[in-house]
Formats: sequence, structure tokens, C-alpha cells
Amino acid sequence: DGGITQSPKYLFRKEGQNVTLSCEQNLNHDAMYWYRQDPGQGLRLIYYSQIVNDFQKGDIAEGYSVSREKKESFPLTVTSAQKNPTAFYLCASSHQGAWGYTFGSGTRLTVV
Amino acid sequence: GQQVMQIPQYQHVQEGEDFTTYCNSSTTLSNIQWYKQRPGGHPVFLIQLVKSGEVKKQKRLTFQFGEAKKNSSLHITATQTTDVGTYFCANNTGKLIFGQGTTLQVKP
Repeated sequence: DGGITQSPKYLFRKEGQNVTLSCEQNLNHDAMYWYRQDPGQGLRLIYYSQIVNDFQKGDIAEGYSVSREKKESFPLTVTSAQKNPTAFYLCASSHQGAWGYTFGSGTRLTVV
Repeated sequence: GQQVMQIPQYQHVQEGEDFTTYCNSSTTLSNIQWYKQRPGGHPVFLIQLVKSGEVKKQKRLTFQFGEAKKNSSLHITATQTTDVGTYFCANNTGKLIFGQGTTLQVKP
């Protein structure tokens, strides 16, 4: 079955450490996105990429970095510069011209 | 940037009652999408509206796009416990910008 895989589902890290969240899709979608969700808030866009080797900052890019070396993969690194990294991170993808986004099941990151 | 405001933030209803969530923008929207996120889950695409005054139905769900394309609503008739979750509206301009969501609780 086609879909988006995010791993791991739960992740714990110590403050000051960088951590990379994985997102892989086998839907042959062109565009991929990273969102952050905090309790009581909507989804906020971190970074997005519409083609390989290109990506743009979203509304809350500070403290995060991404790469898009392959069409299928869009990993997100949460750096030590991110002041409040504990959150639920969602990866999504879409096909150019298509309407709805397909989301992965998310990674819950807790920084202690 | 483009923002969509969604109300109410929370809604508690008795099973069988109707439910409506509203999405508003100060500017004209090219489209509006609706997603449902079950507790502990991820958003799932429900529908997209693009035409002024458009109305679409999916079983007990009715989606409307305002004549001025600045507002939208999702109405659920006779709620069931399976309707529990957070409903988001979103505007797609090459990137998806979400409203804050309405969390629906249904008492059996």
C-alpha cells in the first residue's frame, strides 16, 4: 500500500541535542511538507519542498533544517536552537495539481 | 500572510444533535479544504471547495463555501460518537495554511 511513513512514533531527547525525524513516501508525490502541532493549536508549517533539491521556509522555520535529496524522503532536523521543540510533528505530501494532502502518522518529540 | 480563523474552538454535543464549525477569512480564498483528525491521529482529507456558493455533501456532512469565498462551514447532522475529533479548515496556495480547528466531543 502507498503511504507516508514517519519514524519513530515517539522520540525522547535531552535538551541541547539535535534530532532528525524521518519522513518517507512511496506515493510518487512531488511536494512534501513538515508541520508542527501543539495542544490547542492548529498545524503550523515549518518547511516545504515542491521539487527535489529545493525547499522553502514556512511560518516557523527557525531552529529547524531540512533536506530533499530524494523525491521519496524529506527528513527534518530539530536543532538545539529550537527553543520549544516538544511537539507533535506531522509530515505530509501532495501531488502537483491534486487537492488533498496525505499525512503521515506523526512523531511525538519530547525534549527533557 | 493569509489566515483562516475557525470557530468555535471546542464543541460538546449530545449524540444525535447537530454540529457546525465555521471558517472565516478577511480576504477572498481560492479554495478551502476540510480535514478531520481523530484523537491521537493525523489529519485526513475530507473535501475541497473551489466555487462561490458551492455546497457538497458526504453522508451526514455538509460543506459550504460562501458566495464571497471568504467563509466556509462544515455541518454534521445527527452526530455519532464516531464523529469525535478535531475538524480543520485549510487554504491551499501551494502550501496548506490551517485554521485553528474545532474539537468535537460527542456524549453518548
